[in-house]
Amino acid sequence: NAGVMQNPRHLVRRRGQEARLRCSPMKGHSHVYWYRQLPEEGLKFMVYLQKENIIDESGMPKERFSAEFPKEGPSILRIQQVVRGDSAAYFCASSRTGRGENTEAFFGQGTRLTVV
Amino acid sequence: SQELEQSPQSLIVQEGKNLTINCTSSKTLYGLYWYKQKYGEGLIFLMMLQKGGEEKSHEKITAKLDEKKQQSSLHITASQPSHAGIYLCGAAFYGNNRLAFGKGNQVVVIP
Repeated sequence: NAGVMQNPRHLVRRRGQEARLRCSPMKGHSHVYWYRQLPEEGLKFMVYLQKENIIDESGMPKERFSAEFPKEGPSILRIQQVVRGDSAAYFCASSRTGRGENTEAFFGQGTRLTVV
Repeated sequence: SQELEQSPQSLIVQEGKNLTINCTSSKTLYGLYWYKQKYGEGLIFLMMLQKGGEEKSHEKITAKLDEKKQQSSLHITASQPSHAGIYLCGAAFYGNNRLAFGKGNQVVVIP
């Protein structure tokens, strides 16, 4: 049973380009969470999705950032017109049921985005 | 303000010694999660605690959640170099869909 798979592991983008980060949850998991990690700041929640639905996007910047989790395929975190401040490690986690039912959430290896 | 405070921020111990790190919440937890992260890598799930007073162990690592469900401690017995890394506590709160995280405890084990 493969764990949470994120790709790419490393992504370099020039300012103004688009970044697409992919996350395939563990088998049997239909809940996905995206986090951003900056040095000295810890993990910051961005968005929580269930298949085809955004449940909580309270941590997501209002502009340039979007997330989806289609019926088929991985969850995508999309950052448009990237700026240097977007450089960070982006982690995805998945769980079998929602947070309200309090189940283990497993993390992927992360995507390290560098904006040059 | 930080919802979860982890202490100490960093800790250096001699191999074979015991160590304890703490995670304190400003409000009652619905669930408490411990993860370990090595630099440049993902988070490894260690254990989840839900009930007040609950204690779980995995190999040489024991975690407890206090009765009021506002503080957890993680204890490592006879530490090894493999225990080095950043330990992150995550918490689920009532009425919330997300896990909030502390800034982590950095553990260094000297051979």
